[in-house]
Amino acid sequence: GAVVSQHPSWVICKSGTSVKIECRSLDFQATTMFWYRQFPKQSLMLMATSNEGSKATYEQGVEKDKFLINHASLTLSTLTVTSAHPEDSSFYICSARDPKTGPYEQYFGPGTRLTVT
Amino acid sequence: DAKTTQPPSMDCAEGRAANLPCNHSTISGNEYVYWYRQIHSQGPQYIIHGLKNNETNEMASLIITEDRKSSTLILPHATLRDTAVYYCIVFTNFGNEKLTFGTGTRLTIIP
Repeated sequence: GAVVSQHPSWVICKSGTSVKIECRSLDFQATTMFWYRQFPKQSLMLMATSNEGSKATYEQGVEKDKFLINHASLTLSTLTVTSAHPEDSSFYICSARDPKTGPYEQYFGPGTRLTVT
Repeated sequence: DAKTTQPPSMDCAEGRAANLPCNHSTISGNEYVYWYRQIHSQGPQYIIHGLKNNETNEMASLIITEDRKSSTLILPHATLRDTAVYYCIVFTNFGNEKLTFGTGTRLTIIP
């Protein structure tokens, strides 16, 4: 199946700094990528939908100025957590849709664990 | 909002078939039933999906009732590596590509 990677796999940063997380589709071109957040013992919550070459669509309650998403190419989307605070500590997961397999299957990255101290 | 109901947890003996139920009584005609699983601290993994007919692949089988209001994911010979949270999701293919994850079923395979 299609492979999606994320970098870094984990990161620790200080409160007030910004952190960038990369999501790459390794063997396919993804016009649409998705960003999720997962707190401990909770389910995945969709944060935003990232479309190549256009602005991301954010879910209700997600601050677009705090979680900057850039989808500059068909294989790369980035999520930047700006002015991070301890409450932003979470597991961030991206997924990508491979148009060749139809609109149904999304392939997920391994996740990035962010800890803000 | 998630449109499915799953038991919060289940146990299954290693080597036996694991049968995970899912209720989706409000499913509409153009919505598929999807199953994903998430092993601890990893991204979700696609398992299988179906519309009306039963489906089988190398990982699992999906049995959908005739009225489509419920389904069962079957792992035929569960192994310890199948311990994970299993998510049942209904998903339309008409423009709405957002997967909404519910709380899932935490399946524990017991040696």
